[in-house]
Amino acid sequence: AQKITQTQPGMFVQEKEAVTLDCTYDTSDPSYGLFWYKQPSSGEMIFLIYQGSYDQQNATEGRYSLNFQKARKSANLVISASQLGDSAMYFCAMREGRSNAGNMLTFGGGTRLMVKP
Amino acid sequence: EPEVTQTPSHQVTQMGQEVILRCVPISNHLYFYWYRQILGQKVEFLVSFYNNEISEKSEIFDDQFSVERPDGSNFTLKIRSTKLEDSAMYFCATQGISYEQYFGPGTRLTVT
Repeated sequence: AQKITQTQPGMFVQEKEAVTLDCTYDTSDPSYGLFWYKQPSSGEMIFLIYQGSYDQQNATEGRYSLNFQKARKSANLVISASQLGDSAMYFCAMREGRSNAGNMLTFGGGTRLMVKP
Repeated sequence: EPEVTQTPSHQVTQMGQEVILRCVPISNHLYFYWYRQILGQKVEFLVSFYNNEISEKSEIFDDQFSVERPDGSNFTLKIRSTKLEDSAMYFCATQGISYEQYFGPGTRLTVT
């Protein structure tokens, strides 16, 4: 089974509107974390937001918030007030375990977001 | 704002040649990673490095690959004998005391 599933290969959103990018995950480890990264056409991977499995509140970073629903194993990214510069690929990723030696990330297939003026 | 840097930005090499990709991590970060992304595909983990040794590696990271941190600053990925299927974007990522991993801009490797 896929560890990270992003079911929306592409999405359009009107500028200034909010958009939700879906991510579901699969793990049996009680300690894990979910990440979202943005990859513009230039290719770099930009860290957006992180949510740990034990965090009581949903993570927020500026216009980005993570809608974490643990029972449903979903970690959707919400972008408020979309801007043209938000057009990019968005990747959801997960780390598992409490390793003191670092945690590899497993990535989903990504969602391409296109913001319309 | 501190950032991860990678050199070169683009490397073209012939099949069978050795390549070394370099990364300068964010100062004081403790954990270092290499990932790769074949064009149009998802990002894949290669290897993690902590306390001067490999802590995890994937099936992709076979004997043709090696990593080291020779001078306490640079973190390098060596591919001993490149194959056509090694063509990809290679990302270095580093992590401090939190779980957040910050990626460098990537090195696009093209094997001809």
